[in-house]
Amino acid sequence: GAGVSQSPRYKVAKRGQDVALRCDPISGHVSLFWYQQALGQGPEFLTYFQNEAQLDKSGLPSDRFFAERPEGSVSTLKIQRTQQEDSAVYLCASSFGSRTDTQYFGPGTRLTVL
Amino acid sequence: GQQLNQSPQSMFIQEGEDVSMNCTSSSIFNTWLWYKQEPGEGPVLLIALYKAGELTSNGRLTAQFGITRKDSFLNISASIPSDVGIYFCAGHIIQGAQKLVFGQGTRLTINP
Repeated sequence: GAGVSQSPRYKVAKRGQDVALRCDPISGHVSLFWYQQALGQGPEFLTYFQNEAQLDKSGLPSDRFFAERPEGSVSTLKIQRTQQEDSAVYLCASSFGSRTDTQYFGPGTRLTVL
Repeated sequence: GQQLNQSPQSMFIQEGEDVSMNCTSSSIFNTWLWYKQEPGEGPVLLIALYKAGELTSNGRLTAQFGITRKDSFLNISASIPSDVGIYFCAGHIIQGAQKLVFGQGTRLTINP
C-alpha cells in the first residue's frame, strides 16, 4: 500500500540494549514526525523533520534518543541504553507539506524493555 | 505533558445509541482534529476543524470547534459495532512550535 510503514512492528529489548526503529513515510511527503504513546495515553510528540532537517526535537525525553532522516525520506529513531520507562508504542507520521498539514500515521512499533 | 482534557475516559453503550465526547484546554488552538485508533494501528483522522464555531460532519460523525477556541466536541449518531475503538482529540496550539497535542482518549465499547 501507499501508507506510512514502520518496522519492526514489535521489539523486545533487554535493559541497556540499543534499538533502532524505522519509518517509511508516504512518498513525496516533506514532513515526518515521531510520537511516543504510553499505554492508555494519547501520542506525545518527540521530533519533527522537514525533508532531512530536524527542525524540532524538543519532545525527545533524553539524550539517549536520537532521530535521523539523512536523505529526506526514510527515518530512524534510535534509543541507546534502553530503560524500562522507554516501553511504549512509537508512532511515525508524515504530512505532505508543513507541520500543520494533515498527518498520516503508521501502525507503530511496540517496544518492550525487560 | 498533555494539555488537552478529554472526557469521558470510557463509554459503554448499546448499539444504536448516540455518543458524545469532548475536549477542553486552557490553551487556545488554531485547529482541532478528531482521530480514531484501533488495536495495533495508528490513529486515523476522522474530522478536521480550522475555524472557531465551525461545525463539520462526516457521515454519522459531527464535530464542532468551540467559539472560545479552547474546546471541541465529537458526536456519533446511531452507533454500530465498527465504531468501537479509542477516539482522540488533537490540536495545534496557536502559539509556539505548532506541535500536534493529543488528549488522553475516549475508549468506546458497544454492546450489540
